[in-house]
Formats: sequence, structure tokens, C-alpha cells
Amino acid sequence: EAGVTQFPSHSVIEKGQTVTLRCDPISGHDNLYWYRRVMGKEIKFLLHFVKESKQDESGMPNNRFLAERTGGTYSTLKVQPAELEDSGVYFCASSLTTVEETQYFGPGTRLLVL
Amino acid sequence: GENVEQHPSTLSVQEGDSAVIKCTYSDSASNYFPWYKQELGKRPQLIIDIRSNVGEKKDQRIAVTLNKTAKHFSLHITETQPEDSAVYFCAASMDSNYQLIWGAGTKLIIKP
Repeated sequence: EAGVTQFPSHSVIEKGQTVTLRCDPISGHDNLYWYRRVMGKEIKFLLHFVKESKQDESGMPNNRFLAERTGGTYSTLKVQPAELEDSGVYFCASSLTTVEETQYFGPGTRLLVL
Repeated sequence: GENVEQHPSTLSVQEGDSAVIKCTYSDSASNYFPWYKQELGKRPQLIIDIRSNVGEKKDQRIAVTLNKTAKHFSLHITETQPEDSAVYFCAASMDSNYQLIWGAGTKLIIKP
């Protein structure tokens, strides 16, 4: 069974540019989560999808971040315009159902905003 | 909201010795406590988890204990091996929302 995949693995952009991160969850997993780890700090929750619906987006830092999960399969996280403080590692995770709480993580996207 | 604190930030142990990492949480409603291991450049991987209706869980050389009254849980690794070197994260979540609240991580170094 393929694990959670994320693309790209690394992205270096300039302040003000736009970046779109993609996450493909494990096939059949209804729940998809986005987290990020800013340099030297703990991993922080961003949002949670159940299928195509946003269940919880309380962790989204501001309206420069837009997440979508059209069709309930893969998800994208767009940062527009990117700021320096957005640099970090963005992780995606998926779980089969919320009852089965084990979240399986992708390898992350390392974003550097210059 | 929930807050998870993790100690120590770095732990260096001799190969073959035991390692213990401790976490505390603030919200008594939290009822699920996973531990993830992240090797350099790789994804976080679940190594063990525990739910609030259980006080201890073991899986070979790894064990987790939970003290609900004190709101703390610990990871125990016995007979440490070089491949145990990694960053370990504790986390907590609750049924009202399934987001994981993370500790800051512990870098475990196994000295040969």
C-alpha cells in the first residue's frame, strides 16, 4: 500500500510569490490533515478535511493560506503571497476514519521563503 | 486550548541503556496520546500510542505509560540501539477534534 505522498519535496521562493503544495493521502482515507513545523518550533496543526469538507481550519494562520480538497482525494495548500515567516516544513497526514485515529504522515514539503 | 510540553529536548544515552522521554498535557479531555519517531529527512512515523482508558502499553523494547491524574505520559525505550537515534515527538488529541497537539520533540542520541 502506498503511503502519503507530498509534492514538491522542497520549494524555494521569494517573498510575495505564490506556492502550491500538494498532498496525496493513502487511498480510501477520508481524513486529511495539514501540519507545519516552523524552524526550531513544534509541529502545529493547520486544518483537517473529512472527504472534501473542511472539518476544522482553526490552525490556519491567516487568509494568505488556502486549502482545498476537491473530490475528496488529493489536497492542495496554497500560500499567496508568501512571507518570510511561512518558511518551514509542511506535513500532510491521513487517517482512515476519525475513529481509527492513527494519522499517517507524508515526508513533508520544505518551504523556504527568501 | 491544549498544550503539550516535552522533556528533555536532547537525550544522549549509551547503547544498551534505557531512554525515557516525558510529556505533560493540560486538557483533561485529551484521550489519545501517540508517539512519533522522525529520522533525519524522513517522515514522522507512529511507533506506539495509548488511549486514556489504559495505563501502560508495550511493544517489544518500547513502552508508554500514562498518568491521567497527573496529566503526563512517558515513552520508555529499553536496550537502546544505534537505529533508535532520531527525534521523538509526543502528541495529544481528543474526540471533539482530532487535531494532534505536539510536543517540541526530543533528539535522542545513542552513543556507541
